[in-house]
Amino acid sequence: DTGVSQDPRHKITKRGQNVTFRCDPISEHNRLYWYRQTLGQGPEFLTYFQNEAQLEKSRLLSDRFSAERPKGSFSTLEIQRTEQGDSAMYLCASSPGTSGGRNTGELFFGEGSRLTVL
Amino acid sequence: AQTVTQSQPEMSVQEAETVTLSCTYDTSESDYYLFWYKQPPSRQMILVIRQEAYKQQNATENRFSVNFQKAAKSFSLKISDSQLGDAAMYFCAYRIPTSGTYKYIFGTGTRLKVLA
Repeated sequence: DTGVSQDPRHKITKRGQNVTFRCDPISEHNRLYWYRQTLGQGPEFLTYFQNEAQLEKSRLLSDRFSAERPKGSFSTLEIQRTEQGDSAMYLCASSPGTSGGRNTGELFFGEGSRLTVL
Repeated sequence: AQTVTQSQPEMSVQEAETVTLSCTYDTSESDYYLFWYKQPPSRQMILVIRQEAYKQQNATENRFSVNFQKAAKSFSLKISDSQLGDAAMYFCAYRIPTSGTYKYIFGTGTRLKVLA
């Protein structure tokens, strides 16, 4: 399967612990997005990468959140000193840029990483 | 600021009937993209249909069609001949193509129930 994959799918942690999520986008996609989705809400934009460059971060992303995409391939999202309010589904999505693949504007989503902070 | 509003938290439709999901958005841009995404329970979100704002013709994909009213900033999704597999959360989304970051903004979603 060459879709977007996320790991882990579920993470339960205690408040104050650090967690890291990984996203492997579709291989030829140079754009990668992280979104957060809470119950009954739509996805909220967190951050965006074009290749390895992080081009935008939401104001929602506090200093406890950091994302990387070191080689322009996979990405990690780390949350330090987790709080109960961080409990959510973290979605990764990718899309092709104009230089690689036909850009229809479509986002391809992974199945998400569900975080529960106790 | 760009916003996307879905005023129907939940809708129900009888199998084989037609249902319309509403979406309005706010933007000062003239060139943008609109999307409807489907999120089945515990499954990933997938694209249902997209509309480019410069195109006057409403997009259609099999049983799915949109009613795009640019002046009214309205973008509704019509599902014809509803099937049990259509049951899901549906999200309306908006993207500015020239923003540089290509950020997508999603509505809060409409849960569609299909009754057998």
